[in-house]
Amino acid sequence: EVQVLESGGGLVQPGGSLRLSCAASGFMFNTNSMTWVRQAPGKGLEWVAIINYNGRSIYYADSVKGRFTISRDNSQSTVYLQMNSLRVEDTAVYYCAKEAIGTTAFDYWGQGALVTVSS
Amino acid sequence: DIQMTQSPSTLSASVGDRVTITCRASQSISDWLAWYQQKPGKAPKFLIYKASTLQGGVPSRFSGSGSGTEFTLTISSLQPDDFATYYCQQYKSYPLTFGGGTKVEIK
Repeated sequence: EVQVLESGGGLVQPGGSLRLSCAASGFMFNTNSMTWVRQAPGKGLEWVAIINYNGRSIYYADSVKGRFTISRDNSQSTVYLQMNSLRVEDTAVYYCAKEAIGTTAFDYWGQGALVTVSS
Repeated sequence: DIQMTQSPSTLSASVGDRVTITCRASQSISDWLAWYQQKPGKAPKFLIYKASTLQGGVPSRFSGSGSGTEFTLTISSLQPDDFATYYCQQYKSYPLTFGGGTKVEIK
C-alpha cells in the first residue's frame, strides 16, 4: 500500500525557517518524482516544487524560488522542503505527493502538514 | 505561465443530476490535464489524467474530455459522496498550475 506522510509543520515567526519531511513507502521511491503542493486556509491548491527521481531536475514556483529548497534522500525514501525567509503568506497546509507514472500529475498524497507563519 | 480558469466556482445540484465543470487554459496544453476531487480537511484525490483517462478505482460516472484549451469534467449521475471541490491541473509546462476550484454543493 502506498503511503505518504508529512511531518515538521508548526508555528514560526516571519523571517524564520522550517523543514518539512515526507516519508514514503509502498512503491519504488527512487524511480518517482515527488512534489509539494500547498493550500492556504480557505483557498485553492498551489503547486510549490518538484524533484525528479534522482534529485537532478528541480523546479519551483516563482513565489518560493530562492527561499525554499526541495531535496530527497532515496536511501530513506524521504523528500524534504526547507523553507527559509518565511512570510505570513506562506501559511498553508503543505501536501507531499507522488507523481503518477507517465504524467506530471499526482496520484498519492499525504494528509498534509500545517505551517503557520505569524508573530 | 499557463493560467487555468474553472467555471463555475460553485455549483448547486441534486443527487442524480448530470454535472459539468469547465476548465480553460490560457494557451494550448494538448491533453496534459488532470482532475482532482477534494473534501474538506482531506487531501486531494486523483481522478483523471491525460484529460480523459480515469484513474483506477474511480467510478465510471466520472468522465473527462477536451484538448487544447477547453476541458470538461462530467459526473453523469451525482451521488452523495460526490459533493466536494474539484480542481483541474495542467502539466504541459512548469510552473504546474491548478484551476481555482469548483465547489459542488447540495441544492
